Amino acid sequence: QKEVEQDPGPLSVPEGAIVSLNCTYSNSAFQYFMWYRQYSRKGPELLMYTYSSGNKEDGRFTAQVDKSSKYISLFIRDSQPSDSATYLCAMRPNAGKSTFGDGTTLTVKP
Amino acid sequence: GAGVSQSPSNKVTEKGKDVELRCDPISGHTALYWYRQSLGQGLEFLIYFQGNSAPDKSGLPSDRFSAERTGGSVSTLTIQRTQQEDSAVYLCASSLEGILGGGYTFGSGTRLTVV
Repeated sequence: QKEVEQDPGPLSVPEGAIVSLNCTYSNSAFQYFMWYRQYSRKGPELLMYTYSSGNKEDGRFTAQVDKSSKYISLFIRDSQPSDSATYLCAMRPNAGKSTFGDGTTLTVKP
Repeated sequence: GAGVSQSPSNKVTEKGKDVELRCDPISGHTALYWYRQSLGQGLEFLIYFQGNSAPDKSGLPSDRFSAERTGGSVSTLTIQRTQQEDSAVYLCASSLEGILGGGYTFGSGTRLTVV
């Protein structure tokens, strides 16, 4: 079993929809939780970065971390066609490398 | 520089040849990472350099893979005697260390095709 499991998708939603992307993990040492967005033929780009449990909001994006359930989510409000990309969750302990989910491909249709 | 720079952006090589992939991290970032991404797959960890400490090589898939980081800056990933299963996008990232680390800044990757 992988340390990080990500809902595989793909997801296709109409413009303006609310999108929920989710990951679960098994390693209780993970303290930092990230979401990356990756456009086709590009490197991943950091979208959200959170420490421990709680919510963090940045514009249309909200990241939630529930350490008790080992579950993290990314919500996208008022989704736009430009949000069409692959979204990768990632997490790491206090020191050391990040472990990534396999990604969820999102398509937002105009 | 302003971002993480990787070269070449594309590399086609014949099976059995050696290849070198280069990564120029963000100036001042003490941590440097190599990941591999196969078509439609997630990121597979390869190696991690952390300041002056010994690198974490636990993700290297075989002894044909090696990497070095010179002067705490530029890194080179070398694949010897390439095989078709080595075909993938090789991504380099850099960050600050520990609690200052935040997320990674990735380069655009080197797309390696072994024919």
